[in-house]
Amino acid sequence: GQQLNQSPQSMFIQEGEDVSMNCTSSSIFNTWLWYKQEPGEGPVLLIALYKAGELTSNGRLTAQFGITRKDSFLNISASIPSDVGIYFCAGQPVKAAGNKLTFGGGTRVLVKP
Amino acid sequence: NAGVMQNPRHLVRRRGQEARLRCSPMKGHSHVYWYRQLPEEGLKFMVYLQKENIIDESGMPKERFSAEFPKEGPSILRIQQVVRGDSAAYFCASSPASGQPSYNEQFFGPGTRLTVL
Repeated sequence: GQQLNQSPQSMFIQEGEDVSMNCTSSSIFNTWLWYKQEPGEGPVLLIALYKAGELTSNGRLTAQFGITRKDSFLNISASIPSDVGIYFCAGQPVKAAGNKLTFGGGTRVLVKP
Repeated sequence: NAGVMQNPRHLVRRRGQEARLRCSPMKGHSHVYWYRQLPEEGLKFMVYLQKENIIDESGMPKERFSAEFPKEGPSILRIQQVVRGDSAAYFCASSPASGQPSYNEQFFGPGTRLTVL
């Protein structure tokens, strides 16, 4: 089945820094979604992208749907401690039946000690 | 609170018992999805249902697992004769009907953490 490669697997942030993570696939996707998951909770939808080249912001978060439709990135500007968590990209492949989402392996965002 | 609801939040079963996980979608949503998450991994699709219909069960194991979304009441994910490898977090998501805004956006519940002893 389709696979999403998400990188980096983990990163340390210092308050005020900008951070970036991305997702790539060998398949074309119709939709890209970015979620954040905190311990013991379900994923929370941050941003949804529907068109190639689309750039969408939600507060300090910005995400883009790649032109090739095979990748997406998420930026967090001026990070704060509550940005800690696991960020997942998810997409709906063009050839997928129904609406099932394929998830990346996640980027774990941690605070620098 | 009109979010996706799941219960129980935690479930402990012994090998060979049955596990029943419940999911009530967001108000106004008619599509339900079940995903499984192992520790340190992303979510893996299991099944997609609409009221009284299974649309896509390509991610469901062929044996012991079943799902339903009856006309009335919550969606149920049933695991019969559980084994230790079934231990995981099971998440339900819902989305609006096709043709509605945000059709492709799935909103997740808090999950049920199943532990098989």
